[in-house]
Amino acid sequence: DADVTQTPRNRITKTGKRIMLECSQTKGHDRMYWYRQDPGLGLRLIYYSFDVKDINKGEISDGYSVSRQAQAKFSLSLESAIPNQTALYFCATLGHPNTGELFFGEGSRLTVL
Amino acid sequence: QKEVEQNSGPLSVPEGAIASLNCTYSDRGSQSFFWYRQYSGKSPELIMSIYSNGDKEDGRFTAQLNKASQYVSLLIRDSQPSDSATYLCAVNVQGAQKLVFGQGTRLTINP
Repeated sequence: DADVTQTPRNRITKTGKRIMLECSQTKGHDRMYWYRQDPGLGLRLIYYSFDVKDINKGEISDGYSVSRQAQAKFSLSLESAIPNQTALYFCATLGHPNTGELFFGEGSRLTVL
Repeated sequence: QKEVEQNSGPLSVPEGAIASLNCTYSDRGSQSFFWYRQYSGKSPELIMSIYSNGDKEDGRFTAQLNKASQYVSLLIRDSQPSDSATYLCAVNVQGAQKLVFGQGTRLTINP
């Protein structure tokens, strides 16, 4: 089983719908991240969390919200999806901060029509 | 100005040659730098990290860091078709414990 699991892996939805992407991890890491990937734009940070009570906005948080339900779970929500939120979303965990080694889930491909 | 910038390519290199990937960053206080490789349809994976000025070698890969010029590079010697992937430069923004990524450079190694 993967150490970082994302669900769903693929989702097609309509404009205005609420969508939740879920992430769970078995690595025991405190630090968790949500990134969005678009062609030619690399990975852009949406939100990150250092523990259950510490949540921080990234560079593109508008239109998104998150919930850290437990050390192992970090969910990303789109309250009212719009077409320009069509992208590949990655959840990741970070072990020791100095190593810079993020452990990524397999990604959730979201299409908003 | 983006915090981390890469030439998005695509970069095409013949098999056996040296592939050179470049990255610049804007936060002069950054201390940690990383190269990730992402195969098509897969998640990124860490391949190199560098923290001090100079070169760091790991097998066919060499990372180079020049903090004065705010420049990081990755050299791949004896390039193989299996090296064809997108390479992402990442910088640990000072004190923030978050990695900021560049746009990625798509590399193709031609047999």
